Amino acid sequence: QKEVEQNSGPLSVPEGAIASLNCTYSDRGSQSFFWYRQYSGKSPELIMFIYSNGDKEDGRFTAQLNKASQYVSLLIRDSQPSDSATYLCAVTDTNAGKSTFGDGTTLTVKP
Amino acid sequence: DGGITQSPKYLFRKEGQNVTLSCEQNLNHDAMYWYRQDPGQGLRLIYYSQIVNDFQKGDIAEGYSVSREKKESFPLTVTSAQKNPTAFYLCASRTTWVRGNTGELFFGEGSRLTVL
Repeated sequence: QKEVEQNSGPLSVPEGAIASLNCTYSDRGSQSFFWYRQYSGKSPELIMFIYSNGDKEDGRFTAQLNKASQYVSLLIRDSQPSDSATYLCAVTDTNAGKSTFGDGTTLTVKP
Repeated sequence: DGGITQSPKYLFRKEGQNVTLSCEQNLNHDAMYWYRQDPGQGLRLIYYSQIVNDFQKGDIAEGYSVSREKKESFPLTVTSAQKNPTAFYLCASRTTWVRGNTGELFFGEGSRLTVL
């Protein structure tokens, strides 16, 4: 079993719809959770981070964390074609100082 | 502007050669990381360093070596022992983990290595 698993995709949604990206992790000691967006051939860039159980909203993005279920998700509302990218979930052990990434989910938003 | 500079952007290597990828940061970050990314996959940790003159193996360290002689620099050498080195290599850094900072990783633009 991988340490961080994401829904495999690819995921395709129409413009204006809600895109839902999911991630589960195996290390219960993980403290910090990140979503990065990566365009093809580019390096990842931070979209959201979350530390506490519950929801965290930033513009069209909402991250949700449930530590008991070891589950973190990212919702993108009013999806735009520019949101088409691969989304990477990263789980961080702050004591060890390192992050583990999932394989990513590729999202396509169709105009 | 502060950031991370990786070079070269593209590199071709013949089998049996060692190559070194450069990573320099001027963000004053303590921790630096090397990740490898293969097509359709996420990032896998090769080596990381949380302080000068110290580094740890990540999940796929075999065939790679690093040094951390200066805070700003964390070069990665891909040795001939690495069986399948063709990949996209990403260097990242992060500030010391204290309350109030996000703990996010800052990435360079990457180096794409191809073995001929």
